[in-house]
Amino acid sequence: GAVVSQHPSWVICKSGTSVKIECRSLDFQATTMFWYRQFPKQSLMLMATSNEGSKATYEQGVEKDKFLINHASLTLSTLTVTSAHPEDSSFYICSASPNNQPQHFGDGTRLSIL
Amino acid sequence: QKEVEQNSGPLSVPEGAIASLNCTYSDRGSQSFFWYRQYSGKSPELIMFIYSNGDKEDGRFTAQLNKASQYVSLLIRDSQPSDSATYLCAVNGVRGGSNYKLTFGKGTLLTVNP
Repeated sequence: GAVVSQHPSWVICKSGTSVKIECRSLDFQATTMFWYRQFPKQSLMLMATSNEGSKATYEQGVEKDKFLINHASLTLSTLTVTSAHPEDSSFYICSASPNNQPQHFGDGTRLSIL
Repeated sequence: QKEVEQNSGPLSVPEGAIASLNCTYSDRGSQSFFWYRQYSGKSPELIMFIYSNGDKEDGRFTAQLNKASQYVSLLIRDSQPSDSATYLCAVNGVRGGSNYKLTFGKGTLLTVNP
């Protein structure tokens, strides 16, 4: 089945640091990938839709200058949390799928900002 | 606003019993319906998907769809303690729809007691 790889799986860093998370489709090409955030014991929240070769589409309330998304190739999307602060600590998950197939999720990145 | 509703639970069943998870959705034009399982601290994993009215079976899992009632359910037969997780219902406005965002319910926490 479709495999989506996410890296790193865990990040701990100081407040003010920028953190980059990678999402790769390993055995298929993905023109669209999705980025979610999940706080403890809460549901998934879609942050943005990453579109290969064009600007990402952000959900209402998500700061595009805070969460930079780049989808430069058909197999890689990156999410950069700029100048991260403790309130940005969360579980970040990406998803993607081959054409007309269900979405599959990466293993997620747990971000802890001290 | 498209909405997907799930009973948050927790739903508790004894080992070996049938667990029944329910989901309703507001957008009558929805075409694709998915069930994801999420273990605590992990990312969601696709369990089942269904596009047409009726039942779809895969091993111990059966997805049931009734578009007229805007209702989709997941039955888990012979429930095992390892089935204990949060089950997320997701809906899409197109069939398959790899390039379209899913609308998720908040999830139902299932506990299977040995």
